[in-house]
Amino acid sequence: GAVVSQHPSWVICKSGTSVKIECRSLDFQATTMFWYRQFPKQSLMLMATSNEGSKATYEQGVEKDKFLINHASLTLSTLTVTSAHPEDSSFYICSASSGVDNQPQHFGDGTRLSIL
Amino acid sequence: SQKIEQNSEALNIQEGKTATLTCNYTNYSPAYLQWYRQDPGRGPVFLLLIRENEKEKRKERLKVTFDTTLKQSLFHITASQPADSATYLCALAKTSYDKVIFGPGTSLSVIP
Repeated sequence: GAVVSQHPSWVICKSGTSVKIECRSLDFQATTMFWYRQFPKQSLMLMATSNEGSKATYEQGVEKDKFLINHASLTLSTLTVTSAHPEDSSFYICSASSGVDNQPQHFGDGTRLSIL
Repeated sequence: SQKIEQNSEALNIQEGKTATLTCNYTNYSPAYLQWYRQDPGRGPVFLLLIRENEKEKRKERLKVTFDTTLKQSLFHITASQPADSATYLCALAKTSYDKVIFGPGTSLSVIP
């Protein structure tokens, strides 16, 4: 089946640091990638949608200057959490879609971000 | 605004029985409904996708139904096994490649 790789799987850093998370589709071209955030015992909340070569579309309440998204190629999207603070600690998950009808999104294994 | 509910936060069943999970939605007209499985600390894994014009889909021990009149989907796992224990997420989308809206999930525990 389709494989989406997310890196790193776990990161701990100091408050004020910027953290970059990568999402790669390994065996298909992802025209659209999505970034989600998940707090403990809650469901996934969509943060933004990114299409290759264009600006990301952010959901209401998500700060675009805080969460920078780049989708430079059909196999790679990155999420950068700028000047991270403890309240940004969460589980971040990406998904990728080929844009083909009847084909679901496939998810990465998530990145556990802990800001001290 | 759109709302998705899943029948219960947690469901415990005996091994070998059929687990039935419910997903109800309001203020939305999805063309696609999907079910995912999520294990602790992992990303969701796709299980089944059903279109609005399909009534039922099956895959091995899994079966999903989609009733657009009731705005409800039922997800069944037959002959359940302890390895089926996980959180199951219902997800809706306008197209199969559009943004997906997730329900809160149901944590299933299959007891040996």
